[in-house]
Amino acid sequence: GNSVTQMEGPVTLSEEAFLTINCTYTATGYPSLFWYVQYPGEGLQLLLKATKADDKGSNKGFEATYRKETTSFHLEKGSVQVSDSAVYFCALRGGGSNYKLTFGKGTLLTVNP
Amino acid sequence: DAGITQSPRHKVTETGTPVTLRCHQTENHRYMYWYRQDPGHGLRLIHYSYGVKDTDKGEVSDGYSVSRSKTEDFLLTLESATSSQTSVYFCAISYDDSNSYNEQFFGPGTRLTVL
Repeated sequence: GNSVTQMEGPVTLSEEAFLTINCTYTATGYPSLFWYVQYPGEGLQLLLKATKADDKGSNKGFEATYRKETTSFHLEKGSVQVSDSAVYFCALRGGGSNYKLTFGKGTLLTVNP
Repeated sequence: DAGITQSPRHKVTETGTPVTLRCHQTENHRYMYWYRQDPGHGLRLIHYSYGVKDTDKGEVSDGYSVSRSKTEDFLLTLESATSSQTSVYFCAISYDDSNSYNEQFFGPGTRLTVL
């Protein structure tokens, strides 16, 4: 079956530091890959996505590249801000599946001023 | 923002009592989902719906039932709540678009405590 493994954290960084959150996956077919973000007390929001190999998703300074050869979709940001403090979830939609997302366990990021 | 509301937002109940959570959408999307979020587990799918009266089980469906009598409403029922069902419950919706990448939009969540 499909599965997502992501760095569990928590991750604590100083403002303007470089961020990487690792995500690897197992899936059949050709999955689409997503990063969702959950700010304190809120639901999940889509941060970025990639639907085929070598696609790069980007949004709000965050980037992730769909690497089929390493089955990875690592999240990066060059300079984090305090406002980036949140929980980040990697997820995939398996090839051939119309509905279901499989999520990683989430990574708590705290950015200190 | 997708028009998704959940009610109630917080609920405390006792073991053995029935509980119904409601998800309401104003977007007329075909697909609706119920997830639970627990520390160390991320989000896990409980049930989903692909149309009115069309529902199916997710990976953690035991102890839960759902109903969808209208496009806009998706109800999650705990017939007899247990302490293991203490969790945060999220509803999600996705577009009825066969070419979409199946982005899901999430509601604000319901925090349920079963004593």
